[in-house]
Amino acid sequence: DQQVKQNSPSLSVQEGRISILNCDYTNSMFDYFLWYKKYPAEGPTFLISISSIKDKNEDGRFTVFLNKSAKHLSLHIVPSQPGDSAVYFCAASGWDSNYQLIWGAGTKLIIKP
Amino acid sequence: EAQVTQNPRYLITVTGKKLTVTCSQNMNHEYMSWYRQDPGLGLRQIYYSMNVEVTDKGDVPEGYKVSRKEKRNFPLILESPSPNQTSLYFCASRNRPQTGAAGNEQFFGPGTRLTVL
Repeated sequence: DQQVKQNSPSLSVQEGRISILNCDYTNSMFDYFLWYKKYPAEGPTFLISISSIKDKNEDGRFTVFLNKSAKHLSLHIVPSQPGDSAVYFCAASGWDSNYQLIWGAGTKLIIKP
Repeated sequence: EAQVTQNPRYLITVTGKKLTVTCSQNMNHEYMSWYRQDPGLGLRQIYYSMNVEVTDKGDVPEGYKVSRKEKRNFPLILESPSPNQTSLYFCASRNRPQTGAAGNEQFFGPGTRLTVL
């Protein structure tokens, strides 16, 4: 039973436009959500996070939105740049899982020139 | 430089030949984890450790062993590797997680590509 789902395996976006990556979760006890970015042949690197007490967190071109009632979060990248092409993982944690991170399957983002 | 290192980065081996993948972190983190990444399945946790001499099974522990004798090291041991353990492996570390706080951020190693023939 997947507690964290990223339903889009891939997404293609024109350079300069907005990229929106989505993530759904089922466990209402999750209280912290993170996005990681992964390039080929490298380990994932932390991108941005949000606590369940907030509904938005912004860091430069990256904004994460959390909708707790819908158990949904999204990552917005504006404007999208070629270097943003990577696999993006959504992860969540909560006290009931010993704060172990539960990961989505990832979405491959391709930025077209 | 704060980092997580893994060795080897690439390994091709044969079924049944015991192997160890080492992992070391220099950030004095309490928590360490091993993951495998397979196409379409994302990152699945194999084992984790919340402190020295404290280890726990993750989602896919079968066929793997770990040990945590020192805070900085967390080796992954495959006693008798099989072809279904062919995968990309990541070690990760972080501070003790706190409720809704940034301590939940994990730092990953560069990965170990393992092929079992």
